[in-house]
Amino acid sequence: EAGVTQSPRYAVLQEGQAVSFWCDPISGHDTLYWYQQPRDQGPQLLVYFRDEAVIDNSQLPSDRFSAVRPKGTNSTLKIQSAKQGDTATYLCASRRLGGGEQYFGPGTRLTVL
Amino acid sequence: GEQVEQLPSSLIVQEGASVLINCSYTDSASVYFPWYKQEPGKRLQFIIDIRSNMERKQTQRLTLLFDKKTKHLSLHITATQPGDSAIYFCSAYNTNTGKLTFGDGTVLTVKP
Repeated sequence: EAGVTQSPRYAVLQEGQAVSFWCDPISGHDTLYWYQQPRDQGPQLLVYFRDEAVIDNSQLPSDRFSAVRPKGTNSTLKIQSAKQGDTATYLCASRRLGGGEQYFGPGTRLTVL
Repeated sequence: GEQVEQLPSSLIVQEGASVLINCSYTDSASVYFPWYKQEPGKRLQFIIDIRSNMERKQTQRLTLLFDKKTKHLSLHITATQPGDSAIYFCSAYNTNTGKLTFGDGTVLTVKP
């Protein structure tokens, strides 16, 4: 089966600029996760969806970050006004209902100058 | 919320050696513990998991031990190879929140 795909793979921004990340999960996986992974740390959950519904976005900086999954398939994570502290790799993962492990995409490495 | 701690943060061993990575968690609502491997430039890859109703799981050169009472896990890798060099992440899945919490990883370097 095709794995989780993400784009772009890299992004470099100035502070204050906006950026969007796109994720295509594994077909049939109803649950989709977005993680932020700062350098030398483990992934930290930002938001997750079951189908098109947001289940938990409590760790998403809501004033600048937003995430959608309108048809319950692909998802977009957007940062409105990036800050240097947003520099990290953004990972998307998916999981099928009742399944065990999550399957991760390759990530988008964001650098904010 | 859940906190996951891994020790050591890094390991350097000679090829053929065995290694032990320790992991502890805090929330008793965590019931499923997948481990992932991240090689340089590659995506996180699932390697082994264990559920809270088990004490031990083994696959090839990996053995995962789980102690529910002490909230502790340990991953044992035998006969290490240079290809095992990667960052290893322990994680804990909370059935109440549906969230997976990761440790900060253990960097394993296997020298030929």
